Amino acid sequence: GENVEQHPSTLSVQEGDSAVIKCTYSDSASNYFPWYKQELGKRPQLIIDIRSNVGEKKDQRIAVTLNKTAKHFSLHITETQPEDSAVYFCAAGGTSYGKLTFGQGTILTVHP
Amino acid sequence: NAGVTQTPKFQVLKTGQSMTLQCAQDMNHEYMSWYRQDPGMGLRLIHYSVGAGITDQGEVPNGYNVSRSTTEDFPLRLLSAAPSQTSVYFCASSPLLGLNTEAFFGQGTRLTVV
Repeated sequence: GENVEQHPSTLSVQEGDSAVIKCTYSDSASNYFPWYKQELGKRPQLIIDIRSNVGEKKDQRIAVTLNKTAKHFSLHITETQPEDSAVYFCAAGGTSYGKLTFGQGTILTVHP
Repeated sequence: NAGVTQTPKFQVLKTGQSMTLQCAQDMNHEYMSWYRQDPGMGLRLIHYSVGAGITDQGEVPNGYNVSRSTTEDFPLRLLSAAPSQTSVYFCASSPLLGLNTEAFFGQGTRLTVV
């Protein structure tokens, strides 16, 4: 089955800096790669996703890049703000309807 | 729409007790799933369903049962609770439509087994 590795497990940045979280996946058939943000005590919520027919997608301060050859994808957050502090999860899917395999999560802390 | 609703939000069980975590969605989604979330281990898939009457095992199914008698409901049963099942449980749903799409999560159930 699919295996997703996520790094780093914790990330601490100063407000205004950029943050990058990286994930690798094992199943070359995976074609859907969402990123979820989970604030403390809340449910995970989708912030951005990318499909294998594109290499990059951007939404304001958030961008995701995908390298299918190397089987890795990354989340980039620019101009970080304290409200970006949360746990971020990457996931991979597309080989079985609806089924997603999640990475281990990254705790992002943005210091004012 | 209420989205995905889980009950209860918190539960304490004694070892060996059984219970059912409830999950309901009102978005007419075909796909529903249960995950458990443990520190440093992300979200691990327990069981999932692609429609009423169809269920399948995920990554960590042992000790759990599910059924899907309607499109809306997908309960998770703990048969004989063990301390290793202490975790936060999330139910999620998404439309099928032949392509993976956004998974909508419930608010979670924090379960402690003593």
